[in-house]
Amino acid sequence: DAGVTQSPTHLIKTRGQQVTLRCSPKSGHDTVSWYQQALGQGPQFIFQYYEEEERQRGNFPDRFSGHQFPNYSSELNVNALLLGDSALYLCASSVPGLGKETQYFGPGTRLLVL
Amino acid sequence: AQSVTQPDIHITVSEGASLELRCNYSYGATPYLFWYVQSPGQGLQLLLKYFSGDTLVQGIKGFEAEFKRSQSSFNLRKPSVHWSDAAEYFCAVGGATNKLIFGTGTLLAVQP
Repeated sequence: DAGVTQSPTHLIKTRGQQVTLRCSPKSGHDTVSWYQQALGQGPQFIFQYYEEEERQRGNFPDRFSGHQFPNYSSELNVNALLLGDSALYLCASSVPGLGKETQYFGPGTRLLVL
Repeated sequence: AQSVTQPDIHITVSEGASLELRCNYSYGATPYLFWYVQSPGQGLQLLLKYFSGDTLVQGIKGFEAEFKRSQSSFNLRKPSVHWSDAAEYFCAVGGATNKLIFGTGTLLAVQP
């Protein structure tokens, strides 16, 4: 049973560029959440997708956008990259359960903005 | 405001010694509580979770945690630490919104 997968594993971009990160959820899961983990910090919630719609969003600017495909995989897009966007980006998948949902995390994509 | 506090940034224990990692939360509704572990350069692995019922929950790798509502705490314990337990540990709280709020983590070092 494949777990949550993310690609690429590492990425280097320069300020002002745009980046797309990808996530495939665990088999049987239809909800995908994205988190940003800066160095030395805990993960911060970016947004969550369910049924191809953004279900809720954390305190991140509109430069951060996403998409969910019919097969439940998801993309995170970040425009106009800033140095402060350098972080580990984690994807988590789950099955809806009125809050009693266990989120399973992928290995993450490490983004470095120069 | 919803938040999680892990007061210990870094803890060092000897192999075979017992371990307790502290977690305090602030959450306006019924909290669902989680502990995750992160090895260097890796994603998060779920150790255990609490939704309701018995306040002492068992997890993987011999870990357990106790939910104390009166103290707003969910401390993680292990009776005997192994060198492979060295990692960073994150406490998280969620609820009906299904958004996880994480603490800043506790880095565990294990001395031989």
